[in-house]
Amino acid sequence: SQTIHQWPATLVQPVGSPLSLECTVEGTSNPNLYWYRQAAGRGLQLLFYSVGIGQISSEVPQNLSASRPQDRQFILSSKKLLLSDSGFYLCAWSVSLAGGGELFFGEGSRLTVL
Amino acid sequence: GIQVEQSPPDLILQEGANSTLRCNFSDSVNNLQWFHQNPWGQLINLFYIPSGTKQNGRLSATTVATERYSLLYISSSQTTDSGVYFCAVEPGGGSEKLVFGKGTKLTVNP
Repeated sequence: SQTIHQWPATLVQPVGSPLSLECTVEGTSNPNLYWYRQAAGRGLQLLFYSVGIGQISSEVPQNLSASRPQDRQFILSSKKLLLSDSGFYLCAWSVSLAGGGELFFGEGSRLTVL
Repeated sequence: GIQVEQSPPDLILQEGANSTLRCNFSDSVNNLQWFHQNPWGQLINLFYIPSGTKQNGRLSATTVATERYSLLYISSSQTTDSGVYFCAVEPGGGSEKLVFGKGTKLTVNP
């Protein structure tokens, strides 16, 4: 069966420090991969998605970047964190959504920038 | 882009009550899913339902694609049903991304 893991689960970082969140998927190949952010309140904002290695689509211009160094690995990074980067970050995977795939989420990473 | 509106934004129930959550979307969609986010933040798939009706235990969902809405029914609610329910859609055209509504926060009191 397929599983998704992301880490770290929680982190507290000072303003201006770098960030790296990692996400891996097991039990499938060539998945679509996604990073969402959930700020204070409820909405989920799509940050980046990837339909294959080296293919990254950015949804919102911001202080963050994403990379997909391997088929089932997705990394969210920042060189210098801002206070506004605080939030709950969720990695997700799917097979083709247009083909009827369902989205599955990791456990989330809660980031506090001080 | 496509707009996804969920109602009501907040709902408080007594255990055992039934409820209906609504999701309206502004354009045709390829894919529609309902999720439940528990109080610890975990998002769980409930239904993949771009059209038609599905049932899973006390939960059921109906999507009327031609009228651009979906409904999630919760019967005999339990305290463990508390959390936020999200509707998410993939716009037509094969964008390969889900756009989420702002959610309905459900609180079920014992």
